[in-house]
Amino acid sequence: RKEVEQDPGPFNVPEGATVAFNCTYSNSASQSFFWYRQDCRKEPKLLMSVYSSGNEDGRFTAQLNRASQYISLLIRDSKLSDSATYLCVVSTNTDKLIFGTGTRLQVFP
Amino acid sequence: EPEVTQTPSHQVTQMGQEVILRCVPISNHLYFYWYRQILGQKVEFLVSFYNNEISEKSEIFDDQFSVERPDGSNFTLKIRSTKLEDSAMYFCASSPLDTNTGELFFGEGSRLTVL
Repeated sequence: RKEVEQDPGPFNVPEGATVAFNCTYSNSASQSFFWYRQDCRKEPKLLMSVYSSGNEDGRFTAQLNRASQYISLLIRDSKLSDSATYLCVVSTNTDKLIFGTGTRLQVFP
Repeated sequence: EPEVTQTPSHQVTQMGQEVILRCVPISNHLYFYWYRQILGQKVEFLVSFYNNEISEKSEIFDDQFSVERPDGSNFTLKIRSTKLEDSAMYFCASSPLDTNTGELFFGEGSRLTVL
């Protein structure tokens, strides 16, 4: 089983749509969880951390279910500029981040 | 805004040659990392560096790889004898705190092509 698993997509959605991405992780000892964004041929950038209680940052909402080892990201009112690959990332008690393969989002006019 | 800078942006080399990729982390950061991404694949951890020594490394980071922080600003990744499968984008990253805060700041990457 992959350490961090994501649906690769692509998700093609119109502007204004709501889209949700899911992610599962295999290591129950994982302690920290994040969503990163990666534009084509660019470096990853932190989008948001994911907390157990769930958290929101503007149009973005992240949820964590530790029992199911499941993380989600919801994007409301999609913009053209949201088009990118969204990377699910986890960290255990070690000094490294484990990246999923990413879910590609394409927002069209 | 402070940023991580990497050079070169693209390097083409022959198999068996040595390559050095250079990084200047953000100045007040304490943790330094190298990751790589083969085209179309996921970002993979190579090595972390803290307090002038390697704190963790992956299986990919074998004897052909080494890292150095030769002065107070540069952080280098050396590949001693490149193989075709080393072709990838290599990202340097730095962080003021340890990995569990998640805020890694990545450079724009160095694309390595091994022929």
